[in-house]
Amino acid sequence: DAKTTQPTSMDCAEGRAANLPCNHSTISGNEYVYWYRQIHSQGPQYIIHGLKNNETNEMASLIITEDRKSSTLILPHATLRDTAVYYCIVRDDPSNTGKLIFGQGTTLQVKP
Amino acid sequence: EAQVTQNPRYLITVTGKKLTVTCSQNMNHEYMSWYRQDPGLGLRQIYYSMNVEVTDKGDVPEGYKVSRKEKRNFPLILESPSPNQTSLYFCASSFYSPLNTEAFFGQGTRLTVV
Repeated sequence: DAKTTQPTSMDCAEGRAANLPCNHSTISGNEYVYWYRQIHSQGPQYIIHGLKNNETNEMASLIITEDRKSSTLILPHATLRDTAVYYCIVRDDPSNTGKLIFGQGTTLQVKP
Repeated sequence: EAQVTQNPRYLITVTGKKLTVTCSQNMNHEYMSWYRQDPGLGLRQIYYSMNVEVTDKGDVPEGYKVSRKEKRNFPLILESPSPNQTSLYFCASSFYSPLNTEAFFGQGTRLTVV
């Protein structure tokens, strides 16, 4: 089962920042937080990941709270092409299967 | 360009007719896996492979086979497809799986078994 909780859906105006929250209250010390997105049944696409510190790349920023029980993915200037399902994943792999456990994700709708 | 390539993208077949979905990656990744995606069930892992000649079952392996004879290829084989294997399939690859690595996914294969 997924170890994260996300809102089912969100809207965002084009050009504005999209802030997608994720709760992972049972996260343990060595578990990374990953974000992927899936655009209309295409293959999931990696966005960003982090452990403790905030992270930024060309796609997004990841803000992790100090207690690591929640995080926020920020798309700074959302475009229509950012409309997708966004998955927050806590990477727990005790059996080393490499498995990613995708929950239901947040459907982000970017509107003109 | 770094990519994972699946073929075919779409396939309609009949019950019992053996089929193979191919997956190839050009990133020299050790780790590869197959997922299926169904409405309301999310993505579930079918099989994975940590390196050449090393494969293992994921969460939903029944009815599927895989092989890993070369590092770049990881085909998914359905010996006798059934309608409950109608699904959207994704292949993924990554460097050998410490917790701190990203996975690359193929574009998917939509399979319909009638």
